[in-house]
Formats: sequence, structure tokens, C-alpha cells
Amino acid sequence: GNSVTQMEGPVTLSEEAFLTINCTYTATGYPSLFWYVQYPGEGLQLLLKATKADDKGSNKGFEATYRKETTSFHLEKGSVQVSDSAVYFCALSDPNDYKLSFGAGTTVTVRA
Amino acid sequence: GAGVSQTPSNKVTEKGKYVELRCDPISGHTALYWYRQSLGQGPEFLIYFQGTGAADDSGLPNDRFFAVRPEGSVSTLKIQRTERGDSAVYLCASSLIDSSRYNEQFFGPGTRLTVL
Repeated sequence: GNSVTQMEGPVTLSEEAFLTINCTYTATGYPSLFWYVQYPGEGLQLLLKATKADDKGSNKGFEATYRKETTSFHLEKGSVQVSDSAVYFCALSDPNDYKLSFGAGTTVTVRA
Repeated sequence: GAGVSQTPSNKVTEKGKYVELRCDPISGHTALYWYRQSLGQGPEFLIYFQGTGAADDSGLPNDRFFAVRPEGSVSTLKIQRTERGDSAVYLCASSLIDSSRYNEQFFGPGTRLTVL
């Protein structure tokens, strides 16, 4: 079956620091990969996605590259802000199966 | 426009009681999903509707859980004989269905269910 493993948190950073959250996956097919974000008091939002190998998803300064050879989709941001404090979830879906499989989430706190 | 809404936002019930959780998807979205998020974990898939029918209910944990979407819009998740282990945040999401592109799932704020 499908599964996602992501870096455990919590992660605490200072503003302008570099952020990496590791994510690896196991899938029976050729999945699409996603990062979702949940800001305090809000619902889950799609942050970025990649649908095939070597695709790079990007949004709001965040990037992640679909690495089929290492089955990874690590999230990075070069300079975080306090407003990036949130819980980040890595997820995947099979191309013919709309349901999402999520990792456990990583809580990120950015200090001013 | 309006996003996905869920009611109630919080529900506290006693063990053994019956509860209903409601989801109003984005207007025009034909696909609707229910997920369950336990504390410290990511959301887990429960059931997927395409229109009025349940296309995939493989995530429902047992026969105490049931969901309906009679008119292809609003959905209700029903839990019978609730147990303490059912305590979680229940998330609803909706999306369009277009086989030529990825269909983003838009999530509601969730219903926090607490079973005492």
C-alpha cells in the first residue's frame, strides 16, 4: 500500500533561517506528491505539488522536487518568516485513485 | 466564493451515543471526501463520493461508521455507538473531477469530536 514518512518535529527556527523537512514515500504506482500546510486555526491548504519525476513544485518561497530514484519529496525554504509557523504535511495520491495518503505532519515554529 | 464548511465545529458526546457530522462542499464540486485526523497524526482517508454514490469506502474503520450524500451535495458522516477511540478531528474535502488534470482537494475546518 501507499505510505508517507516525514521528519518528526517539532522544528523551531529563527527568522531567515533555512528550513528543510524530509519526506519519503512508498507507493505501488507512480504517485503525485504534495505538501499541505495547516496554519494555526485554519484548515488544510495545498502548498505545492509535483506530478512526475524531476518536477519541482514551488509556492510562497517553498520548493520540493519529486525524486523517483530516492522516493523523496523534501520541502525547503531558504529564509523563513514568523508567518511560516504551521504544521506541514507531505502527501501522495495514486494517479487513478483520488484519495490522499498523508504523513504524520511536522510542526514548524519560527521565532522573530 | 464560499469554501467547504463543516458543522458542528465541536461535538462532545458520551460513549455509546449516535452522532452526525455535516459537510457542505464547494458549490459545483462533484467529489467529496471524508478524512479522520487523530492527535499528532496526519489525516486518514475514510470515504470518497463521486456524485451521490460512495465510490470508495475502504477507509471506514467498521460498520459503526456510515456516510451519505443523497443529493450529490451535502454529506453527513454518521457514527453509531461512539467509542472513546473515535475522538478525532473529522475533515471533509471537495474537488472537481477532471481526468485531464489534477483536481485539488479543498478542505473544510473540521469537526472536533470528543467522546467521553
